[in-house]
Amino acid sequence: GAVVSQHPSRVICKSGTSVKIECRSLDFQATTMFWYRQFPKQSLMLMATSNEGSKATYEQGVEKDKFLINHASLTLSTLTVTSAHPEDSSFYICSALGLAGPKFTDTQYFGPGTRLTVL
Amino acid sequence: TQLLEQSPQFLSIQEGENLTVYCNSSSVFSSLQWYRQEPGEGPVLLVTVVTGGEVKKLKRLTFQFGDARKDSSLHITAAQPGDTGLYLCAGEDAGNMLTFGGGTRLMVKP
Repeated sequence: GAVVSQHPSRVICKSGTSVKIECRSLDFQATTMFWYRQFPKQSLMLMATSNEGSKATYEQGVEKDKFLINHASLTLSTLTVTSAHPEDSSFYICSALGLAGPKFTDTQYFGPGTRLTVL
Repeated sequence: TQLLEQSPQFLSIQEGENLTVYCNSSSVFSSLQWYRQEPGEGPVLLVTVVTGGEVKKLKRLTFQFGDARKDSSLHITAAQPGDTGLYLCAGEDAGNMLTFGGGTRLMVKP
């Protein structure tokens, strides 16, 4: 249980285009999802916290107009990188916070990540 | 801002050797989690420690949470090439937010 998927797993785009990344919790509901970015040989850095039905909370230094987050349902959050540039190339990872209960106990379950390359 | 310092950043050892990775902070965490990440994949949770002084064992891996819940260590006994990977510690606050350490890249040579 507690599977989180991301789509696409890899994407290559031209500079100036927009890219949408989906994060889905497959077997549980998640009112909160997190988006992280990981540059090569570095750790995960939290970009934003996404709450279902409300605006995302962005970490300091992350442009909300560039990284659009939509959390329209309890199982889906999307991250859209608008007007992507080569410096946006990174590994984007989402996690979904499992609701407390007998099966999923307040734990973040991570997706497999999306490798974005902007040419 | 809570910070987690993880050390060492890189570790290259021979198969059969023991190693310890440290994770230190000046902040108190509700829990501390250890992950392992393979290249091109998301992090996979190894263990969560919650209670100060707690020790958990997972086969050859031993995890310890400091008494004050500010630091933790991961000890691997008789490392194997299959242990190669990026090890990440992450402190969790009361709001379920995770702060990740810088990671330790482990290479175990056969």
